[in-house]
Amino acid sequence: SQTIHQWPATLVQPVGSPLSLECTVEGTSNPNLYWYRQAAGRGLQLLFYSVGIGQISSEVPQNLSASRPQDRQFILSSKKLLLSDSGFYLCAWGQGFSYEQYFGPGTRLTVT
Amino acid sequence: AQSVTQPDIHITVSEGASLELRCNYSYGATPYLFWYVQSPGQGLQLLLKYFSGDTLVQGIKGFEAEFKRSQSSFNLRKPSVHWSDAAEYFCAVGSYKLSFGAGTTVTVRA
Repeated sequence: SQTIHQWPATLVQPVGSPLSLECTVEGTSNPNLYWYRQAAGRGLQLLFYSVGIGQISSEVPQNLSASRPQDRQFILSSKKLLLSDSGFYLCAWGQGFSYEQYFGPGTRLTVT
Repeated sequence: AQSVTQPDIHITVSEGASLELRCNYSYGATPYLFWYVQSPGQGLQLLLKYFSGDTLVQGIKGFEAEFKRSQSSFNLRKPSVHWSDAAEYFCAVGSYKLSFGAGTTVTVRA
């Protein structure tokens, strides 16, 4: 069966510091991968998605970036965090023509 | 453009009572529709999905949803809620990119 991992689970970082969040998927190959952000009391905002290695699409202009160095690895990064980057970050994977997405446990990021 | 509206921000229901969560969507073609549930501090879990065929779909945890094309709706129902159903529920529409509603928080009172 497929499993999706995210780490770290929680992170507290000062403004201006770098960020690296990692997501890996097991038990499947060539998945579509997604990064979402969920602000308190709000829905999910799609940040990036990838349909293959090295292919990244950005949905929202911001100081975040994403990379997919391996087939089942998706990384969310920032060179300098802003206060507004605080939130709950969710990674998801999907595949094929059924279009459902499966979510990881999330990372709670607090920028201070 | 695709979008989802969940009109109810918060619903309180008694344990054992029925539950219905509303979802209205906008989509340019035949929609792929989903309902997810999220417990506090957790990721989202897929409850059910609709692609085509029977407009009444069954999901996990005793949930069902009905697709009504004429009303652009995909409402989620459960005949008898349990205290463990207290969570936030999200409706989504799309294909390889999903658009999510803002969510409905369900509180279950004893």
